[in-house]
Order: sequence, then structure tokens, then C-alpha cells
Amino acid sequence: AQSVAQPEDQVNVAEGNPLTVKCTYSVSGNPYLFWYVQYPNRGLQFLLKYITGDNLVKGSYGFEAEFNKSQTSFHLKKPSALVSDSALYFCAVRGNAGNNRKLIWGLGTSLAVNP
Amino acid sequence: DGGITQSPKYLFRKEGQNVTLSCEQNLNHDAMYWYRQDPGQGLRLIYYSQIVNDFQKGDIAEGYSVSREKKESFPLTVTSAQKNPTAFYLCASSGGLAGTPSTDTQYFGPGTRLTVL
Repeated sequence: AQSVAQPEDQVNVAEGNPLTVKCTYSVSGNPYLFWYVQYPNRGLQFLLKYITGDNLVKGSYGFEAEFNKSQTSFHLKKPSALVSDSALYFCAVRGNAGNNRKLIWGLGTSLAVNP
Repeated sequence: DGGITQSPKYLFRKEGQNVTLSCEQNLNHDAMYWYRQDPGQGLRLIYYSQIVNDFQKGDIAEGYSVSREKKESFPLTVTSAQKNPTAFYLCASSGGLAGTPSTDTQYFGPGTRLTVL
């Protein structure tokens, strides 16, 4: 069965420090992986995705994520956190088998960046 | 929030009422989705449609209904059979040719918060 895990419900970092939000997955075939951010009472905003190619993916707002096939992980990173990065972050995955476009979603990680 | 609009932003429903949430997109996307979001439970898929006049149940379809008569529109009806409808509802779309992975990015509307009185 396909699944996504975000092992941390909450991550706290100090402003200016690097941040990591973790995501691991289980999927049939090669994965398509996504990160989204949600601010309070808003819809989700797309940050970045991995389909194929370079394992390091760069996205919006200075975020990047590294695809690690052996560890089945796709951790979201940013070198220097901002208070404005405080939000809820979701990882999602779909396998490349078939034509089903459904994404499997993690439960989300709440990021708090402290000034 | 891109080219997807949801209305209303806030909706209040009395017990036993059906209510319809609107979702419209001008992105020319083939696929559209409805999710329900509850605190601590992430996003749960209610219904999705990969093409006009076709839709499939998601993981929590009971008590909900949809239609897809136009490419741009995918309204969700929350029926009286849905026992606990208070939640944040999100509509999304993804575009392009079916089976093209580069088009699988889903774009979300701003959401509708439904409260049962």
C-alpha cells in the first residue's frame, strides 16, 4: 500500500537557523513527490516537486528538498529560516503505476520559527 | 491560490440541510478534487474527477455528492446524511493530458469553512 509519513507533528527552529521537515514514503514504482505549505485558514500552496532527474530540487521561497531513493525520503530544507516560514507543511506522493492521479498525503508538520 | 475560486468562504448549515460548495477553475485543468481537512488529520479525499462527466469516490465519500458537467466547475454537495460535516473543505485541480506526470501538481482554492449549527 502507498503511504507517506511525516514523523514530526511539530518542528521548532530559531530564526536564521537551518530547518528540516522530514518525509518518508512507500509507493509502487518510481515516486512523484510534492511539498506544500498552508498558512492559517488558507488553501495549500505548492512549494516543489520531484518527478525525475536531479535528486536536489529547488522550489519557492528558498526551500529545497532532497530525494533519497535508498532511504525512501524527501526531506524539505531551508538554509536560513524566517519567522514568516511558520506554517503547516504537507508532503504528498503518488506512484507512477497506472493513470490514477490521486496523491497520498502526509498528516502535516507544523513549523514554528522563533524570533 | 491561483486560478481556483471557492465560495462561500464561510458557510453555516442547520441540521438536516443539504448545502452546496462551489469550486471553479480557469486553469483549463482536466482533473479536480475535493478534500476535507480536520485538525490533526491532514487532507482526506472526498471525490475526484479526471474528466468532464466522470468522477470517482475518494476515501470518505459517504454523505457527499458531486457533479462535473463542465470542465471549469466541480460543485460539492454536503447532504444531511453526512453526520459530522463541520470542517474545512478544499478544492484542487491538476491539468494537462491524462497520464503526464509533470501535470500532476495540484493547485488549491482558498477553502470553505463549513459549520453545522
